[in-house]
Amino acid sequence: TQLLEQSPQFLSIQEGENLTVYCNSSSVFSSLQWYRQEPGEGPVLLVTVVTGGEVKKLKRLTFQFGDARKDSSLHITAAQPGDTGLYLCAAHSNSGYALNFGKGTSLLVTP
Amino acid sequence: EPEVTQTPSHQVTQMGQEVILRCVPISNHLYFYWYRQILGQKVEFLVSFYNNEISEKSEIFDDQFSVERPDGSNFTLKIRSTKLEDSAMYFCASELPLGGDIQYFGAGTRLSVL
Repeated sequence: TQLLEQSPQFLSIQEGENLTVYCNSSSVFSSLQWYRQEPGEGPVLLVTVVTGGEVKKLKRLTFQFGDARKDSSLHITAAQPGDTGLYLCAAHSNSGYALNFGKGTSLLVTP
Repeated sequence: EPEVTQTPSHQVTQMGQEVILRCVPISNHLYFYWYRQILGQKVEFLVSFYNNEISEKSEIFDDQFSVERPDGSNFTLKIRSTKLEDSAMYFCASELPLGGDIQYFGAGTRLSVL
């Protein structure tokens, strides 16, 4: 099973600040996905990154896939309270079916 | 917007009892999954199901677990004899083949084994 390490585990910031969270592994992935999970809900896909070095933007969220396709980062600009949630990275297993998740970064943005 | 629905939202059971967790996947999806998330831990894969058979299962998915698609809409997870350590959030997900490998998750069922 590929191990996805996410850091930091917890992050509490004030509205308007920028932040970056990380997802690292020793394995190489064909693609990597970022999900956001709110309390009492299931994970919701934010983005899939496929190409090494790829950068994808989703409004104030910027996702980057490492050149070696072993790691990824999520940068949030000018965080808002609505960004509060658990951010998970995930990658498909070698079989292509199962998703292996990291433990996530729990983000709290206070007004 | 189509969504995966799960029932019940919260299930409380006694240790040793059988439980059935229900899911209605998105209607034109063909791949179905169960995951669980123990409180404070990561989301863990249990099983995937395609064409009326299990396509992959994890070490967690032992003989106490089974899945079924009894009709054209429901996808169920049965735990035959629940243990305390089965307490977790159970998430169902479905996927459209060639749909970009996107799994859509339900809101989950919280299973509490007493």
